[in-house]
Amino acid sequence: DGGITQSPKYLFRKEGQNVTLSCEQNLNHDAMYWYRQDPGQGLRLIYYSQIVNDFQKGDIAEGYSVSREKKESFPLTVTSAQKNPTAFYLCASSISQGGNEQFFGPGTRLTVL
Amino acid sequence: GQQLNQSPQSMFIQEGEDVSMNCTSSSIFNTWLWYKQDPGEGPVLLIALYKAGELTSNGRLTAQFGITRKDSFLNISASIPSDVGIYFCAGQQGGSEKLVFGKGTKLTVNP
Repeated sequence: DGGITQSPKYLFRKEGQNVTLSCEQNLNHDAMYWYRQDPGQGLRLIYYSQIVNDFQKGDIAEGYSVSREKKESFPLTVTSAQKNPTAFYLCASSISQGGNEQFFGPGTRLTVL
Repeated sequence: GQQLNQSPQSMFIQEGEDVSMNCTSSSIFNTWLWYKQDPGEGPVLLIALYKAGELTSNGRLTAQFGITRKDSFLNISASIPSDVGIYFCAGQQGGSEKLVFGKGTKLTVNP
């Protein structure tokens, strides 16, 4: 089955701790994206990567970091510098650079206590 | 960052009714996408539009790429309870690697 997986579905962390969210895809897509979704809001872009070993900041990159060591994987680290980390995080991928049809994973709900 | 103006914010309808929602911008877009999101899940792509004036259907869903390239519309005919969810529009401008999203239209269908 081809698709995008995110784990875990729910994540709880104490304030001040870094946490890493997993995103894996087996669609052979070049580009991958991380979004943050808050209640009643649209999706805001955190980071994106068009190719392995390269990534760019999105609109709200502060307090987050990413890596793209493999084509299939694009993990997101929420650092202690992120002032308001509790949110629903969505990973997406598209077939090519500038690919317009993005396909989303099921999301990870992060709660920082 | 830029956002799309999506309306209405929410809709409450009876099963069997038709639904219309739209997305507008002050800028031109080359691609319009419509997604549906169920609670606690990731958005699912419904329809993709690539040409001004294009009208595309997916079952009971029909979407149009506005002639001015600054808007798009989604219609759902004969709504059913499983249509409940949040519908997002997204657009991509020429030369950009990114999508811009609307804030969503929350649809409630009463049986």
